[in-house]
Amino acid sequence: DAGITQSPRHKVTETGTPVTLRCHQTENHRYMYWYRQDPGHGLRLIHYSYGVKDTDKGEVSDGYSVSRSKTEDFLLTLESATSSQTSVYFCAISESAQNTEAFFGQGTRLTVV
Amino acid sequence: AQSVTQLGSHVSVSEGALVLLRCNYSSSVPPYLFWYVQYPNQGLQLLLKYTSAATLVKGINDFEAEFKKSETSFHLTKPSAHMSDAAEYFCAVSDQGFQKLVFGTGTRLLVSP
Repeated sequence: DAGITQSPRHKVTETGTPVTLRCHQTENHRYMYWYRQDPGHGLRLIHYSYGVKDTDKGEVSDGYSVSRSKTEDFLLTLESATSSQTSVYFCAISESAQNTEAFFGQGTRLTVV
Repeated sequence: AQSVTQLGSHVSVSEGALVLLRCNYSSSVPPYLFWYVQYPNQGLQLLLKYTSAATLVKGINDFEAEFKKSETSFHLTKPSAHMSDAAEYFCAVSDQGFQKLVFGTGTRLLVSP
């Protein structure tokens, strides 16, 4: 299995609080991604990174920010959590931009109450 | 923009029967296409990928998919279903320039004895 660790694996938080999810990789892959998975929507890209301090928005970036200060860590922050952000969040990594497999973490189940 | 349509949110087969999961894509440029499998409470695992080489792609666990440009399809098949194949399957597309995967909504495969 690719060395990807997501933390925490489960979290319950209250509406309006900030939340940070962490993705840590040991593969030294350049590209990292955050997706959310919701029933009926599949996986949707939130943000991605193509290098240290290089990030860009995905399809559903509103309400989320990211940071990547080291190759191995990609943080996803919900600035002020809302119930619509209750979801399962997946981190993925890939070695290059083209033609390579994306490896996924085990996911973080976030519930906003 | 790319998109993927997976026909049928649930597919039920008997053990030993043919598995056919349908995927149609839309892309303005030659695509890369992927099938991923997700077992309960786990991340996604790559089954196979099409990257403009052979149109018939073989993957793990006897799955295969055929790229048909004229039909914009990339259907997943397996000759004989096993109980262990019960899972959710996702088709995904990316531009050849950068691996931002766009996923379909998923198809849950149910296998009965």
